[in-house]
Amino acid sequence: TQLLEQSPQFLSIQEGENLTVYCNSSSVFSSLQWYRQEPGEGPVLLVTVVTGGEVKKLKRLTFQFGDARKDSSLHITAAQPGDTGLYLCAGVRGNKLVFGAGTILRVKS
Amino acid sequence: NAGVTQTPKFQVLKTGQSMTLQCAQDMNHEYMSWYRQDPGMGLRLIHYSVGAGITDQGEVPNGYNVSRSTTEDFPLRLLSAAPSQTSVYFCASSPRAGAHREKLFFGSGTQLSVL
Repeated sequence: TQLLEQSPQFLSIQEGENLTVYCNSSSVFSSLQWYRQEPGEGPVLLVTVVTGGEVKKLKRLTFQFGDARKDSSLHITAAQPGDTGLYLCAGVRGNKLVFGAGTILRVKS
Repeated sequence: NAGVTQTPKFQVLKTGQSMTLQCAQDMNHEYMSWYRQDPGMGLRLIHYSVGAGITDQGEVPNGYNVSRSTTEDFPLRLLSAAPSQTSVYFCASSPRAGAHREKLFFGSGTQLSVL
C-alpha cells in the first residue's frame, strides 16, 4: 500500500488541454514536493509546498497543498508536448522522502 | 560541476552474484540516499545517510548494505543478487540532513537486471 496515492496513473491528452494530477494520503506531511522525470534520467524538483492551503505557480503549472497537509494537486494549463513525462509527488517525513507511484503524462501535438 | 554521479549505467548479474553500485557527489552534501524505482511502485527508499559514518534503513533495506566513509561517496552493495532486485536504482543527495525544504539532487540511475 502506497503512503501517497497518485491519480490518475496515466493521462494522454491533446496539446492545449488542461489537466489535474492528484496526490492523496491519510498521513500529514511537514511538506510535499513535486518532481518531473524524463526517460533515462533522475527526477528533477519542480516545487516544494510547506504551508497548508499554499498555492504556488510555475508558469503554466499550479501546485496546491491541502489545508490539512495530507494532499496536493498539480494543475497544468494549456499542456504542451514538452510537459510529457512522469510526475511524482513526495512527502517529507523526518529524514525520509516518501514518493507516490507517479502519473505518466503524454501530451500529443 | 558533475553533481551526483552513478556507475555503472547498466548491469546484468546472475542470481547469487554480488556487486556494488557506486554513487559520488561533489557538492559537499550531508544527506545521501538510495532509491529503487519499479513500474507502478514509484521510488522506494532503500537506505540513507545523514552524514559520514551514519547510515539508516529506509522502506526496503533487505538484501542491501551501505556505508558512508566519506562525505562524497555512498556505495550500495548487493550481497547475493536475486531476480526481485531487478530495478532501476537512483542515488540522491541534498545539502542538509532532513529533506524538509530541501530538494533532492538525483543521479541518472543504474539499470540492473538479475537473471
